[in-house]
Amino acid sequence: GAVVSQHPSRVICKSGTSVKIECRSLDFQATTMFWYRQFPKQSLMLMATSNEGSKATYEQGVEKDKFLINHASLTLSTLTVTSAHPEDSSFYICSARNISGFDGYTFGSGTRLTVV
Amino acid sequence: GESVGLHLPTLSVQEGDNSIINCAYSNSASDYFIWYKQESGKGPQFIIDIRSNMDKRQGQRVTVLLNKTVKHLSLQIAATQPGDSAVYFCAENIMGRRALTFGSGTRLQVQP
Repeated sequence: GAVVSQHPSRVICKSGTSVKIECRSLDFQATTMFWYRQFPKQSLMLMATSNEGSKATYEQGVEKDKFLINHASLTLSTLTVTSAHPEDSSFYICSARNISGFDGYTFGSGTRLTVV
Repeated sequence: GESVGLHLPTLSVQEGDNSIINCAYSNSASDYFIWYKQESGKGPQFIIDIRSNMDKRQGQRVTVLLNKTVKHLSLQIAATQPGDSAVYFCAENIMGRRALTFGSGTRLQVQP
């Protein structure tokens, strides 16, 4: 089945630094990937839609200059949290949709970001 | 699930019983629905999906029911097992949007 690999699974960084999270589709191509954020005991909230070869589409209220998204190939999207602050601490999850048109959305295993 | 915020609604069942988890959606333009299971510290895991032109779909031990009239989705788990303990989310694909929109979630606790 479709597999999405997300790395790292956990990261602790100092306030003011930047952190990059990678999302890879391992056995399929994805022109579109999605980045979600999940706070404790809450649901997944869509942050942005990552488009291969073009700019990401951000949801209302999400700062595009703070959450940089790059989708340089059909199998890789990256999310960089710039100048991280403690309030950015959260569980970040990516999802990819198969280019073949299959409706399924495959999710990565998530990245726990802690900013200290 | 109905509530949002800091407290997920919890459904507690005995091992071997059937579980029913409910979800209300608000957008009549939604045409595809998925149930996900999420264990602590992990990403969502696909359970079962259903298109809007259907009202019932069955999988192994799971059944999804869709009532478009009242915009209601349910997940039935037969013979619930301790390994079913997790948070369950419904997600909808609103026509015209590429991303999924998630519901607020329900925590299922299975008592041995």
